Amino acid sequence: SAVISQKPSRDICQRGTSLTIQCQVDSQVTMMFWYRQQPGQSLTLIATANQGSEATYESGFVIDKFPISRPNLTFSTLTVSNMSPEDSSIYLCSAQPTDREAFFGQGTRLTVV
Amino acid sequence: GENVEQHPSTLSVQEGDSAVIKCTYSDSASNYFPWYKQELGKRPQLIIDIRSNVGEKKDQRIAVTLNKTAKHFSLHITETQPEDSAVYFCAASWDGANNLFFGTGTRLTVIP
Repeated sequence: SAVISQKPSRDICQRGTSLTIQCQVDSQVTMMFWYRQQPGQSLTLIATANQGSEATYESGFVIDKFPISRPNLTFSTLTVSNMSPEDSSIYLCSAQPTDREAFFGQGTRLTVV
Repeated sequence: GENVEQHPSTLSVQEGDSAVIKCTYSDSASNYFPWYKQELGKRPQLIIDIRSNVGEKKDQRIAVTLNKTAKHFSLHITETQPEDSAVYFCAASWDGANNLFFGTGTRLTVIP
C-alpha cells in the first residue's frame, strides 16, 4: 500500500494567480497521476507525472496551464496557473506503487474568486 | 481509448436491501476492473477489484462480477447499511496502460 499526503487541503485564490499543490508518497512509486474532480462528478485525468521527463497530458490539458514537476519517485507538484473561476474544483493526486491498485491523496479543494 | 459507462447515477435503497451498480467498457484489452468508494469530502478508496481471469469475486457483503464477452462488470452490495452511503466509481485498465479509466460514478444512499 501507499500513504499519500497532499497539501494544501483547500485554498481560496484570486483570479490570475497560481497555486502549487504538493503530493508526497511514503514509498517510491513509478506511476503518479493528477486528476480533477468537479463536485459530484467523476475523476478526469489531467496528466501522468513522469520522473525525469515531462508530464504526459490528456486532451484538453496543457503544460502552460498545469505545469507538473516530478523530481523523484516520492514527490510531485501540480501548479494551476493564471487561475479563473472555471478552475475551481477538487484536485487529486494518485500513485500506483504495484500492479494496478491506485491510492489517492486527500484532495485539494480550490476556489477561485 | 477506453470508455467506461456507469449506471445508475443515483441509487437509493432501504437498509438491508441489496444494491447493484453496473459498468460497461469499450476496450476488449481491458483486464483489470477496480471499484472505488468515495465518502463525502474524502479520497476515493479501493473496495474490491477483479481481473479478467475470474468471473466473480466476493469480500463479505461486497461482490463483483465480470462478463468479458459482453464487456460489463457489476458491483453487488448485500445487506446494505447506512455507512455504505457514498459515491462509487468503477474503473478499467489493462496491462501496459498507465492509468485507470473511471466511470461517471453512482451516488448510493442507504435509507435507515
